[in-house]
Amino acid sequence: GQQLNQSPQSMFIQEGEDVSMNCTSSSIFNTWLWYKQDPGEGPVLLIALYKAGELTSNGRLTAQFGITRKDSFLNISASIPSDVGIYFCAGLYTGNQFYFGTGTSLTVIP
Amino acid sequence: DAGVTQSPTHLIKTRGQQVTLRCSPKSGHDTVSWYQQALGQGPQFIFQYYEEEERQRGNFPDRFSGHQFPNYSSELNVNALLLGDSALYLCASSLGRAANQPQHFGDGTRLSIL
Repeated sequence: GQQLNQSPQSMFIQEGEDVSMNCTSSSIFNTWLWYKQDPGEGPVLLIALYKAGELTSNGRLTAQFGITRKDSFLNISASIPSDVGIYFCAGLYTGNQFYFGTGTSLTVIP
Repeated sequence: DAGVTQSPTHLIKTRGQQVTLRCSPKSGHDTVSWYQQALGQGPQFIFQYYEEEERQRGNFPDRFSGHQFPNYSSELNVNALLLGDSALYLCASSLGRAANQPQHFGDGTRLSIL
């Protein structure tokens, strides 16, 4: 299967700081999705990206589809305590199967 | 607008037993995908159902099987349970035939094998 590597693996930041994380692969992907998962819950869709170079925002969140189509980036501006959770990227390689990354755990210190 | 619902929320089984998990898709969605999420890992694709047929399958053994009903709801069946099957099982729904449609997840069924 395809490997999606997310970095950093974990982040500890002060409330109000900006956050950047990324998702990389050795293969080309056709669609990128970003999700947030809280403990005991399912992943919640944040942003969907469909074209290389596409930049999409959802409130304080901005995500980009990398030009090479092998990576994607998620930025969170002015973090708040409720941003705490695990962020996953998911990529569509071929067929109908989304591959998920290893996750980035975000902790926001008030 | 009802989201994806899964039942049961928690389940405890012993090795060798069989289990059935259920999923109702988000209102208006017709495609259901099942994922296994081990502790500390990202979800892994098991299979996807569309028009009551398995459209794609991930790298899971035949012990994992499924079904989709005419109302688009779905079941995941796992036979001959192993300790390694302990995980959170997630159902995701999406709309239509296109593969790139965003998937919306339920809160999962936590399966523990003793």
